[in-house]
Amino acid sequence: SYELTQPPSVSVSPGQTASITCSGDKLGDKYACWYQQKPGQSPVLVIYQDTKRPSGIPERFSGSNSGNTATLTISGTQAMDEADYYCQAWDSNTVVFGGGTKLTVL
Amino acid sequence: QVQLVQSGAEVKKPGASVKVSCKASGYTFTSYFMHWVRQAPGQGLEWMGIINPSGGSTSYAQKFQGRVTMTRDTSTRTVYMELSSLRSEDTAVYYCGRDRGCSGGSCYELDQWGQGTLVTVSS
Repeated sequence: SYELTQPPSVSVSPGQTASITCSGDKLGDKYACWYQQKPGQSPVLVIYQDTKRPSGIPERFSGSNSGNTATLTISGTQAMDEADYYCQAWDSNTVVFGGGTKLTVL
Repeated sequence: QVQLVQSGAEVKKPGASVKVSCKASGYTFTSYFMHWVRQAPGQGLEWMGIINPSGGSTSYAQKFQGRVTMTRDTSTRTVYMELSSLRSEDTAVYYCGRDRGCSGGSCYELDQWGQGTLVTVSS
């Protein structure tokens, strides 16, 4: 079965750029999306189709996907961006999530 | 605005079944597929399956084949997820999530989520 791998944790200073990676076999040939989940809340879609932002998602969130790696980039990271982030793709009509990355803003 | 409102928390004994509902509003119910995703305490997201509210067709993750049933009621704009033969490992928050929708089919991207339903399996 298809697998997506994320680093368990990433730390960033306020105002700096955070990058969260997601690795999978030929992931660049598929669409990747990203969800943000804060404690006790439901996930929120922040990037879809590799690079697109849903309405209401700040411009500081961006995405890319090439080769075996998709990346979520948060520019000018704010304290409110501290959360768990999950990448997701689909393969053989099955949705696959990465294990999640805890982003700490300190 | 789009809303997905799920049923309340459940406590079940091992071996029992649970049925969680997800009532949709604010959009054309039959135009968007619906997914079910669960999250065990302190763990990541796990996809369970998808239902097409228009015709009722379903596709389930292999892990849940034979134990999960997804249905819909178009008259009440509600989708249901029933999980049987519950065990302690099924303790989790269960989410419904609307598919973003692509050309009448599924994008396999979830753009709206319900508030989650905690299912606790304990003897």
